[in-house]
Amino acid sequence: GAVVSQHPSWVICKSGTSVKIECRSLDFQATTMFWYRQFPKQSLMLMATSNEGSKATYEQGVEKDKFLINHASLTLSTLTVTSAHPEDSSFYICSAPPGLAESTDTQYFGPGTRLTVL
Amino acid sequence: GNSVTQMEGPVTLSEEAFLTINCTYTATGYPSLFWYVQYPGEGLQLLLKATKADDKGSNKGFEATYRKETTSFHLEKGSVQVSDSAVYFCALSFSGGYNKLIFGAGTRLAVHP
Repeated sequence: GAVVSQHPSWVICKSGTSVKIECRSLDFQATTMFWYRQFPKQSLMLMATSNEGSKATYEQGVEKDKFLINHASLTLSTLTVTSAHPEDSSFYICSAPPGLAESTDTQYFGPGTRLTVL
Repeated sequence: GNSVTQMEGPVTLSEEAFLTINCTYTATGYPSLFWYVQYPGEGLQLLLKATKADDKGSNKGFEATYRKETTSFHLEKGSVQVSDSAVYFCALSFSGGYNKLIFGAGTRLAVHP
């Protein structure tokens, strides 16, 4: 099946620094990618919808200036956690539907990135 | 609002035991329902889905039936294997909504020989 990769798989950073997480669709084009956040033993919570060539759409309560999303090409979306703090420590997961998101209920998920902010 | 509630884990079973993982949902409309599975070190994979009431999704010996009257989508398998050990997520989405998924908390299943 289709593959979505994430890089890095884990990262540890100091408080106040920024961290970039990449999400790539390896064998298909994705006009839309989704970013989720997962706390230990909790659900995946949708943070934002990343749209190629346009601004991301953020879910209610997600700070767009804190979590910068750039969908620069049909195979790459990046999530930058700016001025990270310990409360931003979490597991970040991306997903991508093949083709147009509104025409399919299929999504392919990346393996996730564990962020730890000291 | 829309939400999904799953039974808490971990669920620990012996090989060949019967599996049930309960999932109920709250939704303002008529969602599609999904079970995703996450094996260690891998991304979530779609296990099965059902798009309307009374539909039964099935895959790899797993089954779940969309029950509108009880707002449930319980996952079952008649005989689990060690290789089924994973975290299982129940989820819903609405067609036309760019398929944003709303997930349950996940249930970890451990199957022992």
